[in-house]
Amino acid sequence: EAQVTQNPRYLITVTGKKLTVTCSQNMNHEYMSWYRQDPGLGLRQIYYSMNVEVTDKGDVPEGYKVSRKEKRNFPLILESPSPNQTSLYFCASSLFSASYEQYFGPGTRLTVT
Amino acid sequence: QKEVEQNSGPLSVPEGAIASLNCTYSDRGSQSFFWYRQYSGKSPELIMSIYSNGDKEDGRFTAQLNKASQYVSLLIRDSQPSDSATYLCAVVAGTGAGSYQLTFGKGTKLSVIP
Repeated sequence: EAQVTQNPRYLITVTGKKLTVTCSQNMNHEYMSWYRQDPGLGLRQIYYSMNVEVTDKGDVPEGYKVSRKEKRNFPLILESPSPNQTSLYFCASSLFSASYEQYFGPGTRLTVT
Repeated sequence: QKEVEQNSGPLSVPEGAIASLNCTYSDRGSQSFFWYRQYSGKSPELIMSIYSNGDKEDGRFTAQLNKASQYVSLLIRDSQPSDSATYLCAVVAGTGAGSYQLTFGKGTKLSVIP
């Protein structure tokens, strides 16, 4: 089954404790991205990747890191999480770029206390 | 900053009626337009894409694009309670560096009343 998977689905952590949210797709897509969704603010792009070893900032990259060492994986790293990073996070992938249909993962609900 | 504006709703329509969802965008050079549906607690899923002026129909859904007015809409005919969800308008524009930026509106919440 073609899908985007994210882990963990739910995470409660404390301020400053490094964490990684994994994202993997099995559709051989070149483009992958991370979004956060907050009430009243909608979906905002954090980082995106056009291909392996090619990443770029989205609209709200502060406090986040990403890497793309393999085509299928695009982990999101929070090196020192803060309460304002409490949010619902979605990973998405598409065939070539942002101009193609985005396939979203199931989401990761993160709470930072 | 490219902007995509939607009325947040909620938009309430009776079952069987036509639901009309609207979206405006700021970047006149925008090239691709999408409508995603998001059920509460779930991830967005694509329901319509449109690239040129006019109407595009797919089943009960019709997307309408007017680039001169920078306006895109989604009509849902014969609305069903299962259509109750938040509808996200998404717009793609080139960044001038060979890549594209996808910007989402904040979504319109639709409620179909049985």
